[in-house]
Amino acid sequence: QVQLVESGGGLVKPGGSLRLSCAASGFTFSDYYMSWIRQAPGKGLEWVSYISSSGSTIYYADSVKGRFTISRDNAKNSLYLQMNSLRAEDTAVYYCARDSRLPRNWGQGTLVTVSS
Amino acid sequence: DIQMTQSPSSLSASVGDRVTITCQASQHISDYLNWYQQKPGKAPKLLIYDASNLETGVPSRFSGSGSGTDFTFTISSLQPEDIATYYCQQYDNSLTFGGGTKVEIK
Repeated sequence: QVQLVESGGGLVKPGGSLRLSCAASGFTFSDYYMSWIRQAPGKGLEWVSYISSSGSTIYYADSVKGRFTISRDNAKNSLYLQMNSLRAEDTAVYYCARDSRLPRNWGQGTLVTVSS
Repeated sequence: DIQMTQSPSSLSASVGDRVTITCQASQHISDYLNWYQQKPGKAPKLLIYDASNLETGVPSRFSGSGSGTDFTFTISSLQPEDIATYYCQQYDNSLTFGGGTKVEIK
């Protein structure tokens, strides 16, 4: 079955960087758009970014544009999110999800905490 | 950007009650709308896609309707296991989620 496993979260100081990974299995990874969606503690869901199956098309939410970079390695069935210039408001659980329009499958999430 | 206004933000109902949640888009989105259920500490689970289609394996007491800008999500007979937060999500233009509705048992 479809499985998405995020990793790479942790505690980082404001202005710092972190790279999240998402390992995919149970489906043909290279056939699907992939997304990152986050949820601040006690808050709602916020789409962050998505990437096309080939990696040629990428979109970002305005809140992360210029600071975050999404990428993928289809040979490794992996999705990434490079997060730079982190702010306190980036504190959230970050989920990877299969598809960019109808996220049917989600990982369990990885917590990113930005605090001094 | 398309804004999604979901209401109410919370509700309390009795087991067996009919529960209705609404979601309004700031512009026309056809039927490009999904509904999710999220339980504490868990990832969201897709319940309804394309406004009215029941996801495989989801109980038939869940339903969705609407098109354009106004959408409705209904639980026909609330069960204890339905306690969760529900979100609408549009995908006409990138993705936007509603603010969520927390459903509790009275």
